Amino acid sequence: EAQVTQNPRYLITVTGKKLTVTCSQNMNHEYMSWYRQDPGLGLRQIYYSMNVEVTDKGDVPEGYKVSRKEKRNFPLILESPSPNQTSLYFCASSLSNTGSRRPQHFGDGTRLSIL
Amino acid sequence: QKEVEQNSGPLSVPEGAIASLNCTYSDRGSQSFFWYRQYSGKSPELIMFIYSNGDKEDGRFTAQLNKASQYVSLLIRDSQPSDSATYLCAVNRRNDMRFGAGTRLTVKP
Repeated sequence: EAQVTQNPRYLITVTGKKLTVTCSQNMNHEYMSWYRQDPGLGLRQIYYSMNVEVTDKGDVPEGYKVSRKEKRNFPLILESPSPNQTSLYFCASSLSNTGSRRPQHFGDGTRLSIL
Repeated sequence: QKEVEQNSGPLSVPEGAIASLNCTYSDRGSQSFFWYRQYSGKSPELIMFIYSNGDKEDGRFTAQLNKASQYVSLLIRDSQPSDSATYLCAVNRRNDMRFGAGTRLTVKP
């Protein structure tokens, strides 16, 4: 089954404790991205990756890191999480060699709470 | 001005009616336009995408794009209670993507 898999689905942690949210897709998609979703603000893009070893900042990259060492995986790293990073996070991928032009498939989401 | 704007709603229509959802965008260089449906607590699900001016129909859904007016819309014919959700408009801008805040639609039986 074609899918985008995120882990964990839920996480409650404390300020400053490094965490990683994993994202994996099995569709051989080139384009992957991370979003956060907050009430009233909609989905905002954090980082995206056009292909392996190619990443770029989205709308709200501060406080986040990503890496793309393999085509299928695109982890999101919070080196020193803060309460303002409490949010619902989505990973997405698309079959595209033209950036975000193609439709994106979303994972089920990760709800992070930073205390 | 937000890059992608939608009326937040809620938009309420009776079952069987046409629901009309609207979206405007600011970047004239935008190339691709998407409508996603999101049920509460779930991930966005693609409904339609459109690249060219005009209408694109898929079942009960019609997407309309007017690049000159920087306007994209989604029409849902014969609305069903199962269509009740938040509808997100998304616009690609070079290599990144911008989403509107979404319009909440309620279809009343």
